[in-house]
Amino acid sequence: GNSVTQMEGPVTLSEEAFLTINCTYTATGYPSLFWYVQYPGEGLQLLLKATKADDKGSNKGFEATYRKETTSFHLEKGSVQVSDSAVYFCALSSNTGGFKTIFGAGTRLFVKA
Amino acid sequence: GAVVSQHPSWVICKSGTSVKIECRSLDFQATTMFWYRQFPKQSLMLMATSNEGSKATYEQGVEKDKFLINHASLTLSTLTVTSAHPEDSSFYICSAPLERTGTEHGYTFGSGTRLTVV
Repeated sequence: GNSVTQMEGPVTLSEEAFLTINCTYTATGYPSLFWYVQYPGEGLQLLLKATKADDKGSNKGFEATYRKETTSFHLEKGSVQVSDSAVYFCALSSNTGGFKTIFGAGTRLFVKA
Repeated sequence: GAVVSQHPSWVICKSGTSVKIECRSLDFQATTMFWYRQFPKQSLMLMATSNEGSKATYEQGVEKDKFLINHASLTLSTLTVTSAHPEDSSFYICSAPLERTGTEHGYTFGSGTRLTVV
């Protein structure tokens, strides 16, 4: 079945450091890929998405490229801020999975001032 | 943008009582609503999928009689935790597709309900 694997956290960085959170997936068909962010005590917010191979999703300085050859969708940001501290979830959704969203385990990011 | 309003944001209840959680789509119609449960520091686990006007589809291992889901209209889905016990304490989140069909646009999530059963 479909699955998502993302790097374990927590990840602790200093402000303005470069961020990479790895995400790989297994899926049949042609899934859409997403990154969601969850701030403390809140629900999930869609951060960015990509719907086909080689698409790059971007938002708020975050980027991720849909790599079909490596089945990856790594999240990157060139310069993190304290306000980026949150839990990040990689996810996929596929018509072969009944459109259910499959989430990775989440990666907690702490950014120090 | 499309918003799902979830209430209450937190609730404390006594063991044996029932708690209802509501999710309303504010500016769009949600034919489908997904209900997730999230344990501390863990990912979201899909509990069930509710469809307007029909019975919900539950994931394996989720007790249908304990977690009652009703999707009476295109803008309202409810989850009722019946005869709650401390092990039901968790963070519950609802989610609706941003399009009625297809997955390209992702999903919008409610803000979550933290349930504590004492």
